[in-house]
Amino acid sequence: GQSLEQPSEVTAVEGAIVQINCTYQTSGFYGLSWYQQHDGGAPTFLSYNALDGLEETGRFSSFLSRSDSYGYLLLQELQMKDSASYFCAVSTDSWGKFQFGAGTQVVVTP
Amino acid sequence: DAGVTQSPTHLIKTRGQHVTLRCSPISGHKSVSWYQQVLGQGPQFIFQYYEKEERGRGNFPDRFSARQFPNYSSELNVNALLLGDSALYLCASSLTAVSGNTIYFGEGSWLTVV
Repeated sequence: GQSLEQPSEVTAVEGAIVQINCTYQTSGFYGLSWYQQHDGGAPTFLSYNALDGLEETGRFSSFLSRSDSYGYLLLQELQMKDSASYFCAVSTDSWGKFQFGAGTQVVVTP
Repeated sequence: DAGVTQSPTHLIKTRGQHVTLRCSPISGHKSVSWYQQVLGQGPQFIFQYYEKEERGRGNFPDRFSARQFPNYSSELNVNALLLGDSALYLCASSLTAVSGNTIYFGEGSWLTVV
């Protein structure tokens, strides 16, 4: 079957570093994306990895290993505003259809 | 520039009724996708349209249908509503319909079926 596995919740203090892992098993793989969603809001795009390696965008970095069917999102210098749900999503066909994980709730404490 | 806009933002329907949800993509975007997000879960793919043609369909019953208009806006229709259809319905747009394109979500339509 198809699945994306990510932890349900992570708690950390301001200024800390958090890593959210995502392992996937899908019928097709064209890339791994990460989205952030605040309560009641729309998911917003954070990063996309089509090839193995690390992509860095400001305080956020994303990593992909296609041979391990694994990726992670790294949040550095955590701020209170980073408290949100984070979703990994696999692009499963050439048209850009996405399969999402269940999400990881990140709670940042003072 | 306006982002993806959806209407209505909230609505309550009775079991068995029909609902139409509307979406206007970002200007210049030709692909629209629909996702259903149940509370506490990730978005689940329903449909993708590109240049007014269906390019993908998720594992949803035939009660769900959609279309895309010449101006690239889109409608999602759900017939014979069930309690389990209560969810946030998200529309996403992208420039084209290829893998690697960033998809931009609207704020969604909250549907409650009673």
